Amino acid sequence: EDQVTQSPEALRLQEGESSSLNCSYTVSGLRGLFWYRQDPGKGPEFLFTLYSAGEEKEKERLKATLTKKESFLHITAPKPEDSATYLCAVQGHGGSQGNLIFGKGTKLSVKP
Amino acid sequence: DSGVTQTPKHLITATGQRVTLRCSPRSGDLSVYWYQQSLDQGLQFLIQYYNGEERAKGNILERFSAQQFPDLHSELNLSSLELGDSALYFCASSPYPTTSGGITDTQYFGPGTRLTVL
Repeated sequence: EDQVTQSPEALRLQEGESSSLNCSYTVSGLRGLFWYRQDPGKGPEFLFTLYSAGEEKEKERLKATLTKKESFLHITAPKPEDSATYLCAVQGHGGSQGNLIFGKGTKLSVKP
Repeated sequence: DSGVTQTPKHLITATGQRVTLRCSPRSGDLSVYWYQQSLDQGLQFLIQYYNGEERAKGNILERFSAQQFPDLHSELNLSSLELGDSALYFCASSPYPTTSGGITDTQYFGPGTRLTVL
């Protein structure tokens, strides 16, 4: 069964304090791993898609990396506006019929 | 703004009632997906339509149904509502069907409909 586990559940950082969020996954044939950002009461906002181990993508203070078992979202020198819940999702070839399986997210709070 | 629109933003109703949620996909997207997000379950895939046809089903209750119309907008119908159906309901769209063996592409989410069942 395809599964996604995100850790930590919540993370509090001071402005400028870099850190990483983890997404561990099991999937029968990875087609893609996705990172989304979600603000309270809003829809998930697409950040990155990663397709194969070793791949990296960057956007402003965010960098996503992928291995065969997990993905990391690195946040460099975060600002208060980076506060949100970050969701990881996988798309596989198997039982999920190619649809997204989401983790429960990491709630990030960045204090000024 | 993702380009996906959903109406209404908020819906308050009573147990046993029926409601309809509406979604318009991004221009050019043929696939529509419905998700439910509750506090304890996270985002759960419900159902997918591609160009008017049902393509995949997830954890969708029999009391729930959906359809995609020729103009590609979609509606999610929830009936015999229970307290536990209170949640955020999101629609997402993508250009392709993304079923097994298909093209991997990104799903873009709408702003959601918050359903409260009293």
